[in-house]
Amino acid sequence: AQKITQTQPGMFVQEKEAVTLDCTYDTSDPSYGLFWYKQPSSGEMIFLIYQGSYDQQNATEGRYSLNFQKARKSANLVISASQLGDSAMYFCAMREGSGYSTLTFGKGTMLLVSP
Amino acid sequence: SQTIHQWPATLVQPVGSPLSLECTVEGTSNPNLYWYRQAAGRGLQLLFYSVGIGQISSEVPQNLSASRPQDRQFILSSKKLLLSDSGFYLCAWSQGRAYEQYFGPGTRLTVT
Repeated sequence: AQKITQTQPGMFVQEKEAVTLDCTYDTSDPSYGLFWYKQPSSGEMIFLIYQGSYDQQNATEGRYSLNFQKARKSANLVISASQLGDSAMYFCAMREGSGYSTLTFGKGTMLLVSP
Repeated sequence: SQTIHQWPATLVQPVGSPLSLECTVEGTSNPNLYWYRQAAGRGLQLLFYSVGIGQISSEVPQNLSASRPQDRQFILSSKKLLLSDSGFYLCAWSQGRAYEQYFGPGTRLTVT
């Protein structure tokens, strides 16, 4: 079974609107973390936001927020007030365990922001 | 501040030729280092990671190898490239128990 599932291959949004990118995860470990990365056409992966499984509040970083629903095992990324520069691939990722661990990435969602 | 470098940026190599991709990190010591491969339109596949000099863990059996000759240097190698080795190779680092990884600009490899 896939550990990270991103069901939206592509999303379209108009500039200044909000958009939600979906991510569901699968783990039996009580300690885990969820990440979102942005990959523009240049290829570099840019870290956006992190949510720990024990964090009580949803993570926020500027226009990015993570809608963490633990019971549903979902960690959706919300981008408010979309900008043209937000057009990129977005990847959800997870690490498992409380010690050192590597990241498992989803297949990504391509977001296109139109004027 | 920390920076991560990768070179070359692009590479075209014939099948059967050797490969050496280099990654270096500046501004930190004893980082955890990672090599990922991304096939066209796909997610990232972890190839190798290292938590210290000379310590290499392989995630996927293949004809690639990795080495960490210095604290902040990570090298990806192959003795004989296959067509299936084509892809975008990304190096990343993390620090200690901090979980987020920071990525380099990547190397686009085309095997012909």
